[in-house]
Amino acid sequence: DTEVTQTPKHLVMGMTNKKSLKCEQHMGHRAMYWYKQKAKKPPELMFVYSYEKLSINESVPSRFSPECPNSSLLNLHLHALQPEDSALYLCASSQDRTGGSEETQYFGPGTRLLVL
Amino acid sequence: EDKVVQSPLSLVVHEGDTVTLNCSYEVTNFRSLLWYKQEKKAPTFLFMLTSSGIEKKSGRLSSILDKKELFSILNITATQTGDSAVYLCAVGVRTDKLIFGTGTRLQVFP
Repeated sequence: DTEVTQTPKHLVMGMTNKKSLKCEQHMGHRAMYWYKQKAKKPPELMFVYSYEKLSINESVPSRFSPECPNSSLLNLHLHALQPEDSALYLCASSQDRTGGSEETQYFGPGTRLLVL
Repeated sequence: EDKVVQSPLSLVVHEGDTVTLNCSYEVTNFRSLLWYKQEKKAPTFLFMLTSSGIEKKSGRLSSILDKKELFSILNITATQTGDSAVYLCAVGVRTDKLIFGTGTRLQVFP
């Protein structure tokens, strides 16, 4: 089973709203990721959590706030977004076995976000 | 700066054709190269390559890595309309970081 789930599938929000994206995996993976993908572009890494600790923040604006409540869950809290933040937000997970070749990332279906 | 370049950017073929997609890279710390297929939403994993010259196969898809010349190819034989997608190449530069190429958009017409 290589399933990563994400909710909601679609989200429309205003610039003053606060919303959250959720991601879940039950593969025992220890690394989880948030990516942003604009149309016809590759995924851009935003955040990485490894063993429930934030290990990479790719200079993402503070209006995006990640949270990893436990090893299976990853949230992305959104506040005061801009229209240019509209994109597909992808979550991924991987095994993260140091020294091995287990860095294959498995992606969820994404949340398509529209900011008005 | 780490870089992954895919070519061609787009490709239009007819069912039954064979296609070859290219991925070249320049990175400071190579760990692995991965191929993904992205249709409407999530990229789905196809192959991970770590050693030169060893072909990986899955049905009509195959891929090989050349670590000396820093590239990989993805071959699809006897293409079908269901192969239409964006094919993404990504290079692992640490256990928790992938550098993605811009993708090749493949369209297969009946």
